[in-house]
Amino acid sequence: AQKITQTQPGMFVQEKEAVTLDCTYDTSDQSYGLFWYKQPSSGEMIFLIYQGSYDEQNATEGRYSLNFQKARKSANLVISASQLGDSAMYFCAMRGEGYSTLTFGKGTMLLVSP
Amino acid sequence: DVKVTQSSRYLVKRTGEKVFLECVQDMDHENMFWYRQDPGLGLRLIYFSYDVKMKEKGDIPEGYSVSREKKERFSLILESASTNQTSMYLCASGVQGTRYEQYFGPGTRLTVT
Repeated sequence: AQKITQTQPGMFVQEKEAVTLDCTYDTSDQSYGLFWYKQPSSGEMIFLIYQGSYDEQNATEGRYSLNFQKARKSANLVISASQLGDSAMYFCAMRGEGYSTLTFGKGTMLLVSP
Repeated sequence: DVKVTQSSRYLVKRTGEKVFLECVQDMDHENMFWYRQDPGLGLRLIYFSYDVKMKEKGDIPEGYSVSREKKERFSLILESASTNQTSMYLCASGVQGTRYEQYFGPGTRLTVT
């Protein structure tokens, strides 16, 4: 079984600053995948970034990067140069070995202020 | 772009009614999923499907059923709606492969009175 923990219910950041959203996971699988999704107030879940457990380099997608520390079982999302449009709920999720289903954390609400 | 659509954004039903939530994807994905989202609980998987006419229970299937008669369409059915099924329902589709990435629809906010 997989478990995702997001310990930050809410985060505040000023525009143009960087912010790190924490995610830790628990699994006994050797092969797994980690995802981050963004959910604006409109409700739709938007895929941001993916990290495979065997990927040697941290994933990056534009202003998003994933700080993957396998030994610590953490997969933190780093957003550089925050924008007002980044205000949303952010979910960390993982897929276990051989599974197509995702286990989600409870989310972190990010508010970006001018 | 992947497109996942859901039949309604907002729905209000009465206790005891049979409720159908429809989801359609246009990317020929094998996998489809239904989640419910509640504040403080994140997303919880209700049912999923690997193929036409195939269905698998997720973490919270009680009170729900599903139907997948065509590859692009996955329906969630509340046989007798109850107030504790008031929630946001999210449908997703995904292709089988190394990443198993999922793409989500806009969600249906269901209120049962």
